[in-house]
Amino acid sequence: SAVISQKPSRDICQRGTSLTIQCQVDSQVTMMFWYRQQPGQSLTLIATANQGSEATYESGFVIDKFPISRPNLTFSTLTVSNMSPEDSSIYLCSVSILAGEGEQFFGPGTRLTVL
Amino acid sequence: AQKVTQAQTEISVVEKEDVTLDCVYETRDTTYYLFWYKQPPSGELVFLIRRNSFDEQNEISGRYSWNFQKSTSSFNFTITASQVVDSAVYFCALSFYSSASKIIFGSGTRLSIRP
Repeated sequence: SAVISQKPSRDICQRGTSLTIQCQVDSQVTMMFWYRQQPGQSLTLIATANQGSEATYESGFVIDKFPISRPNLTFSTLTVSNMSPEDSSIYLCSVSILAGEGEQFFGPGTRLTVL
Repeated sequence: AQKVTQAQTEISVVEKEDVTLDCVYETRDTTYYLFWYKQPPSGELVFLIRRNSFDEQNEISGRYSWNFQKSTSSFNFTITASQVVDSAVYFCALSFYSSASKIIFGSGTRLSIRP
């Protein structure tokens, strides 16, 4: 497995502002992902963070709203832009250590509330 | 369609009872992975088990056991002698050998263990 940390752990933000969430892993990993978990719901994949290139977004998610960076094999950021109350969710970073092996390990999540 | 169904939204049992969480999946892929994750009230997602589609052996780990049956497309999870610490939301999930980065999560089952 891997030790994954996220900052901030929670935040309360005003409508129209942006928040950048950081994800740090204690070892180099092949793949990093960002998920959203809306209140009382399951997890939905936002995008795969690709090292050295643009992220790969899932249907319904766009780069302008959720810009992602991955400058190296241990770090990634997700920005939630121009926030609205509908963006209130838990945002989770995950990693896959062995490409093709399937399981992902998750960070503790960032609990975001937008007023 | 690629889909994971957890029909049980909430389950409540008294401590020391056995409880089974159901999971049914749909896929046309012949090679895939199945997972169970636990999300305690703290919010962090904890990986419990991975099963490969070509390995139908059941697995036991302490009080936890998993029953994988390809014939019924089910991957059920049983907790024996439940404890209050088992209270959490449990997610069943599916990914594919051809695209191991994409995990499809079920809607989750909220398990409450009453003392």
